[in-house]
Amino acid sequence: EPEVTQTPSHQVTQMGQEVILRCVPISNHLYFYWYRQILGQKVEFLVSFYNNEISEKSEIFDDQFSVERPDGSNFTLKIRSTKLEDSAMYFCASSEASGSTDTQYFGPGTRLTVL
Amino acid sequence: GEDVEQSLFLSVREGDSSVINCTYTDSSSTYLYWYKQEPGAGLQLLTYIFSNMDMKQDQRLTVLLNKKDKHLSLRIADTQTGDSAIYFCAESYSGGYQKVTFGTGTKLQVIP
Repeated sequence: EPEVTQTPSHQVTQMGQEVILRCVPISNHLYFYWYRQILGQKVEFLVSFYNNEISEKSEIFDDQFSVERPDGSNFTLKIRSTKLEDSAMYFCASSEASGSTDTQYFGPGTRLTVL
Repeated sequence: GEDVEQSLFLSVREGDSSVINCTYTDSSSTYLYWYKQEPGAGLQLLTYIFSNMDMKQDQRLTVLLNKKDKHLSLRIADTQTGDSAIYFCAESYSGGYQKVTFGTGTKLQVIP
């Protein structure tokens, strides 16, 4: 069964450093998403992406964050200058379409630890 | 804005039925989901229901939706130790690009 994959599974970085989290969505999917889950808290929507542009973003997704689809298979989340509060599990998701018959499929997540 | 609430913890004995409850606020929600998260793992879509349905059954899972009260439940029949996980209720509204709003998650503990 096709699945969303994410790398790395765990990333440790120093505060102020840039990180790039990588995702490979399901191959025929057109919509891509990032969510995060701070330890013990809700899963929160960050951003959705379609046709090479951001379609919706939350207030969490500030100028420190950016997303990119650099090629036909990868979807990345970049955090320019990490803060301690960016420590969380980051989930990538994808969906085939955005309509009344579609659901999102999530990757296993990347745990980001900012020291 | 959208809000989804769940009780935090549920403990059941192996073989019993588990019922996990959820309430949501957005009346325009089209899809309501149940996701399962095992320790250290990602979010696994278990099942979903359209807002125009009252019930959906899938093997041991039964989803009940009371749209009037904005109440969703997940019943797991014959609960097994492998069902121990956190269960997230979630919803998405119609239109747009289906941002999914998650609940707080209910930790299900199955006692052998």
